[in-house]
Amino acid sequence: QSVLTQPPSASGTPGQRVTISCSGSSSNIGSNTVNWYQQLPGTAPKLLIYSNNQRPSGVPDRFSGSKSGTSASLAISGLQSEDEADYYCAAWDDSLNGLFGTGTKVTVL
Amino acid sequence: EVQLVESGGGLVQPGGSLRLSCAASGFTFSSYAMSWVRQAPGKGLEWVSAISGSGGSTYYADSVKGRFTISRDNSKNTLYLQMNSLRAEDTAVYYCAKSPIVVVVAALYYFDYWGQGTLVTVSS
Repeated sequence: QSVLTQPPSASGTPGQRVTISCSGSSSNIGSNTVNWYQQLPGTAPKLLIYSNNQRPSGVPDRFSGSKSGTSASLAISGLQSEDEADYYCAAWDDSLNGLFGTGTKVTVL
Repeated sequence: EVQLVESGGGLVQPGGSLRLSCAASGFTFSSYAMSWVRQAPGKGLEWVSAISGSGGSTYYADSVKGRFTISRDNSKNTLYLQMNSLRAEDTAVYYCAKSPIVVVVAALYYFDYWGQGTLVTVSS
Protein backbone atom coordinates (compact mmCIF):
# COMPACT_ATOMS: atom_id res chain seq x y z
CA GLN A 1 0.00 0.00 0.00
CA SER A 2 0.98 3.61 -0.54
CA VAL A 3 2.58 5.66 2.20
CA LEU A 4 2.46 9.32 3.11
CA THR A 5 5.88 10.35 4.42
CA GLN A 6 6.37 12.90 7.18
CA PRO A 7 9.48 13.89 9.15
CA PRO A 8 9.50 12.06 12.49
CA SER A 9 10.03 15.21 14.50
CA ALA A 10 9.93 18.99 14.43
CA SER A 11 10.56 21.56 17.12
CA GLY A 12 10.56 25.25 17.86
CA THR A 13 10.52 27.79 20.65
CA PRO A 14 7.32 29.55 21.70
CA GLY A 15 6.27 32.08 19.10
CA GLN A 16 8.23 30.46 16.27
CA ARG A 17 6.79 29.07 13.06
CA VAL A 18 7.03 25.32 12.48
CA THR A 19 6.28 23.57 9.19
CA ILE A 20 5.57 19.87 8.70
CA SER A 21 5.75 18.27 5.27
CA CYS A 22 3.77 15.34 3.91
CA SER A 23 4.94 13.62 0.75
CA GLY A 24 2.73 11.30 -1.27
CA SER A 25 2.15 10.29 -4.86
CA SER A 26 -0.06 10.96 -7.85
CA SER A 27 -2.62 8.41 -6.64
CA ASN A 28 -3.24 10.10 -3.30
CA ILE A 29 -2.12 13.67 -2.60
CA GLY A 30 -1.68 14.34 -6.29
CA SER A 31 -5.33 13.66 -7.04
CA ASN A 32 -7.18 14.04 -3.74
CA THR A 33 -7.47 16.48 -0.87
CA VAL A 34 -5.29 16.38 2.24
CA ASN A 35 -6.39 16.51 5.85
CA TRP A 36 -4.43 16.99 9.06
CA TYR A 37 -5.03 15.63 12.56
CA GLN A 38 -3.56 16.58 15.91
CA GLN A 39 -3.16 13.95 18.63
CA LEU A 40 -2.36 15.22 22.09
CA PRO A 41 -0.71 12.70 24.43
CA GLY A 42 -3.12 10.02 25.60
CA THR A 43 -6.08 11.31 23.59
CA ALA A 44 -7.93 10.53 20.39
CA PRO A 45 -6.93 12.40 17.23
CA LYS A 46 -8.68 15.67 16.43
CA LEU A 47 -9.37 17.17 12.99
CA LEU A 48 -7.12 20.17 12.43
CA ILE A 49 -7.28 20.92 8.69
CA TYR A 50 -9.57 19.45 6.02
CA SER A 51 -9.72 19.81 2.24
CA ASN A 52 -6.10 21.00 2.06
CA ASN A 53 -6.53 24.32 3.83
CA GLN A 54 -9.86 24.54 5.66
CA ARG A 55 -10.01 24.93 9.43
CA PRO A 56 -12.93 23.45 11.38
CA SER A 57 -14.72 25.74 13.76
CA GLY A 58 -12.66 26.24 16.90
CA VAL A 59 -9.25 25.57 15.40
CA PRO A 60 -7.01 28.64 15.86
CA ASP A 61 -5.90 30.43 12.70
CA ARG A 62 -2.30 29.77 13.78
CA PHE A 63 -2.76 26.47 11.97
CA SER A 64 -2.74 26.51 8.18
CA GLY A 65 -2.47 23.93 5.44
CA SER A 66 -1.36 23.93 1.84
CA LYS A 67 -0.88 21.49 -1.02
CA SER A 68 1.24 21.51 -4.15
CA GLY A 69 1.49 18.60 -6.53
CA THR A 70 2.11 15.41 -4.56
CA SER A 71 3.10 17.16 -1.33
CA ALA A 72 1.31 19.02 1.43
CA SER A 73 2.36 21.10 4.41
CA LEU A 74 1.02 22.07 7.80
CA ALA A 75 2.27 25.31 9.31
CA ILE A 76 1.97 26.33 12.93
CA SER A 77 2.72 29.99 13.45
CA GLY A 78 3.15 31.52 16.88
CA LEU A 79 3.96 28.12 18.39
CA GLN A 80 2.51 27.56 21.85
CA SER A 81 3.24 24.98 24.54
CA GLU A 82 -0.17 23.38 24.05
CA ASP A 83 0.75 22.62 20.43
CA GLU A 84 3.11 19.89 21.61
CA ALA A 85 1.54 16.82 20.03
CA ASP A 86 1.71 14.31 17.20
CA TYR A 87 0.51 15.50 13.81
CA TYR A 88 -0.70 13.28 10.96
CA CYS A 89 -1.56 14.06 7.39
CA ALA A 90 -4.16 11.91 5.64
CA ALA A 91 -5.62 11.42 2.19
CA TRP A 92 -7.70 8.99 0.17
CA ASP A 93 -5.82 6.86 -2.32
CA ASP A 94 -7.24 5.99 -5.74
CA SER A 95 -6.71 2.31 -4.88
CA LEU A 96 -9.75 2.79 -2.60
CA ASN A 97 -7.80 2.99 0.62
CA GLY A 98 -7.48 5.61 3.27
CA LEU A 99 -3.95 6.66 4.10
CA PHE A 100 -2.31 8.33 7.06
CA GLY A 101 1.10 9.89 7.14
CA THR A 102 3.87 8.43 9.26
CA GLY A 103 3.36 11.14 11.88
CA THR A 104 5.42 14.04 13.20
CA LYS A 105 6.06 14.74 16.86
CA VAL A 106 6.20 18.46 17.54
CA THR A 107 8.20 19.56 20.56
CA VAL A 108 8.05 23.05 22.03
CA LEU A 109 11.50 23.86 23.38
CA GLU B 1 -23.38 16.84 20.95
CA VAL B 2 -21.80 14.16 18.80
CA GLN B 3 -20.65 11.15 20.79
CA LEU B 4 -18.95 7.98 19.62
CA VAL B 5 -18.37 5.28 22.20
CA GLU B 6 -16.42 2.15 21.27
CA SER B 7 -16.66 -1.13 23.15
CA GLY B 8 -15.81 -4.79 22.73
CA GLY B 9 -12.04 -4.65 23.00
CA GLY B 10 -10.04 -7.05 25.12
CA LEU B 11 -7.49 -9.84 25.15
CA VAL B 12 -7.85 -12.55 22.51
CA GLN B 13 -5.61 -15.38 21.39
CA PRO B 14 -4.02 -15.47 17.94
CA GLY B 15 -6.50 -16.91 15.47
CA GLY B 16 -9.43 -15.79 17.58
CA SER B 17 -12.30 -13.41 16.86
CA LEU B 18 -13.67 -10.24 18.37
CA ARG B 19 -16.48 -7.85 17.48
CA LEU B 20 -16.10 -4.16 18.19
CA SER B 21 -19.07 -1.82 18.49
CA CYS B 22 -19.33 1.95 18.23
CA ALA B 23 -22.47 3.54 19.65
CA ALA B 24 -23.25 6.88 18.03
CA SER B 25 -25.43 9.70 19.31
CA GLY B 26 -26.03 13.39 18.69
CA PHE B 27 -26.43 13.15 14.92
CA THR B 28 -28.47 11.33 12.26
CA PHE B 29 -26.32 8.21 12.08
CA SER B 30 -27.55 6.92 8.71
CA SER B 31 -26.60 10.21 7.02
CA TYR B 32 -22.87 9.79 7.48
CA ALA B 33 -20.14 7.42 6.42
CA MET B 34 -18.17 5.86 9.25
CA SER B 35 -14.71 4.37 9.55
CA TRP B 36 -12.38 2.42 11.81
CA VAL B 37 -8.82 3.60 12.42
CA ARG B 38 -6.30 1.82 14.63
CA GLN B 39 -3.11 2.70 16.44
CA ALA B 40 -0.64 0.09 17.62
CA PRO B 41 1.09 0.86 20.94
CA GLY B 42 3.58 3.66 20.41
CA LYS B 43 2.92 3.74 16.66
CA GLY B 44 1.10 5.93 14.17
CA LEU B 45 -2.45 5.89 12.89
CA GLU B 46 -3.54 3.22 10.41
CA TRP B 47 -6.75 3.35 8.40
CA VAL B 48 -8.65 0.06 8.68
CA SER B 49 -12.06 0.26 7.00
CA ALA B 50 -14.90 2.52 5.90
CA ILE B 51 -18.63 2.15 5.22
CA SER B 52 -21.15 4.42 3.55
CA GLY B 53 -24.21 5.71 5.37
CA SER B 54 -26.49 3.08 3.85
CA GLY B 55 -23.98 0.30 4.43
CA GLY B 56 -24.00 -0.50 0.75
CA SER B 57 -20.36 0.37 0.12
CA THR B 58 -17.45 -0.90 2.17
CA TYR B 59 -13.68 -0.46 1.93
CA TYR B 60 -10.80 -2.26 3.61
CA ALA B 61 -7.07 -1.90 4.09
CA ASP B 62 -5.08 -4.69 2.47
CA SER B 63 -3.80 -5.71 5.90
CA VAL B 64 -7.30 -6.70 7.08
CA LYS B 65 -9.10 -7.60 3.86
CA GLY B 66 -10.70 -11.02 4.09
CA ARG B 67 -10.38 -11.10 7.89
CA PHE B 68 -12.33 -8.04 9.08
CA THR B 69 -15.90 -7.04 8.21
CA ILE B 70 -17.34 -3.59 8.78
CA SER B 71 -21.10 -3.20 9.13
CA ARG B 72 -23.67 -0.88 10.65
CA ASP B 73 -27.16 -1.07 12.10
CA ASN B 74 -28.76 2.29 11.41
CA SER B 75 -31.81 1.37 13.53
CA LYS B 76 -29.48 1.00 16.53
CA ASN B 77 -27.11 3.86 15.62
CA THR B 78 -24.22 1.42 15.91
CA LEU B 79 -21.13 0.67 13.85
CA TYR B 80 -19.41 -2.72 14.05
CA LEU B 81 -16.10 -4.30 13.18
CA GLN B 82 -16.04 -8.10 13.12
CA MET B 83 -12.43 -9.22 13.42
CA ASN B 84 -11.53 -12.83 12.60
CA SER B 85 -8.23 -14.71 12.33
CA LEU B 86 -6.61 -12.16 14.60
CA ARG B 87 -2.85 -11.78 14.61
CA ALA B 88 -0.39 -10.23 17.04
CA GLU B 89 0.05 -7.32 14.64
CA ASP B 90 -3.64 -6.46 15.03
CA THR B 91 -2.93 -5.34 18.61
CA ALA B 92 -3.95 -1.70 18.76
CA VAL B 93 -6.38 0.87 20.02
CA TYR B 94 -9.30 0.90 17.59
CA TYR B 95 -11.08 4.20 17.00
CA CYS B 96 -14.36 4.72 15.21
CA ALA B 97 -14.64 7.97 13.32
CA LYS B 98 -17.39 9.91 11.59
CA SER B 99 -17.14 11.47 8.14
CA PRO B 100 -18.96 14.67 7.12
CA ILE B 101 -21.09 13.14 4.34
CA VAL B 102 -23.03 9.97 3.62
CA VAL B 103 -20.70 8.48 0.99
CA VAL B 104 -16.99 7.77 0.89
CA VAL B 105 -15.61 10.20 -1.67
CA ALA B 106 -12.01 11.29 -1.90
CA ALA B 107 -12.72 15.00 -1.81
CA LEU B 108 -14.58 14.82 1.49
CA TYR B 109 -13.09 11.77 3.14
CA TYR B 110 -11.99 12.99 6.52
CA PHE B 111 -13.02 12.44 10.13
CA ASP B 112 -14.72 15.27 11.96
CA TYR B 113 -15.41 13.28 15.13
CA TRP B 114 -13.59 10.42 16.82
CA GLY B 115 -14.40 8.05 19.65
CA GLN B 116 -12.08 7.52 22.60
CA GLY B 117 -10.93 4.12 21.34
CA THR B 118 -10.99 0.53 22.58
CA LEU B 119 -7.88 -1.59 23.08
CA VAL B 120 -7.54 -4.94 21.35
CA THR B 121 -4.67 -7.17 22.47
CA VAL B 122 -3.87 -10.31 20.51
CA SER B 123 -1.61 -12.56 22.54
CA SER B 124 -1.33 -16.08 23.83
